[in-house]
Amino acid sequence: EPEVTQTPSHQVTQMGQEVILRCVPISNHLYFYWYRQILGQKVEFLVSFYNNEISEKSEIFDDQFSVERPDGSNFTLKIRSTKLEDSAMYFCASSSQGNTEAFFGQGTRLTVV
Amino acid sequence: GQQLNQSPQSMFIQEGEDVSMNCTSSSIFNTWLWYKQDPGEGPVLLIALYKAGELTSNGRLTAQFGITRKDSFLNISASIPSDVGIYFCAGQLIDYKLSFGAGTTVTVRA
Repeated sequence: EPEVTQTPSHQVTQMGQEVILRCVPISNHLYFYWYRQILGQKVEFLVSFYNNEISEKSEIFDDQFSVERPDGSNFTLKIRSTKLEDSAMYFCASSSQGNTEAFFGQGTRLTVV
Repeated sequence: GQQLNQSPQSMFIQEGEDVSMNCTSSSIFNTWLWYKQDPGEGPVLLIALYKAGELTSNGRLTAQFGITRKDSFLNISASIPSDVGIYFCAGQLIDYKLSFGAGTTVTVRA
């Protein structure tokens, strides 16, 4: 069964460092998303991406964040200068259409120290 | 973003019992989704609902899209130990992003 895959599963980084979280969405999906979940809290929307551009972003997704689809299979989230409060699980998701169900990856646990 | 109120926050149930949880919102959604999340894992889709009034089943799971489009419920019948986990509702509008509820933690007593 096709699935969304994310790497790495766990990333530890020092405050101020740049991190890139990687995702391979389901191959025939056109809509891509990043969500995050701070420990013990609900899942929060960060950004949606379609047709090689951001279609919507939340207030969390500030200038420190960027997304890219560098080739036909990968979808990345970059945090330019990490802060302690960026520590969270980051989930990538994809859907075939914008209004169909989104499938989530296993997540990357980001720990900023 | 839209605020979803999910209840109950947690529940302890006996194996074999039925479970019910619901989500309400002050604004309407076009789609309601129910996900289950195990510790350290990503949310796994259980049921998707696309029409007001729709009642959909997936094995022992049944979910309904409220007629007002502002609420949804999920029922689990005859719970088993592997039903343990956190269940999230999520609503979606035409902007396609999902707004999640705070989750219902289900613990099953054997």
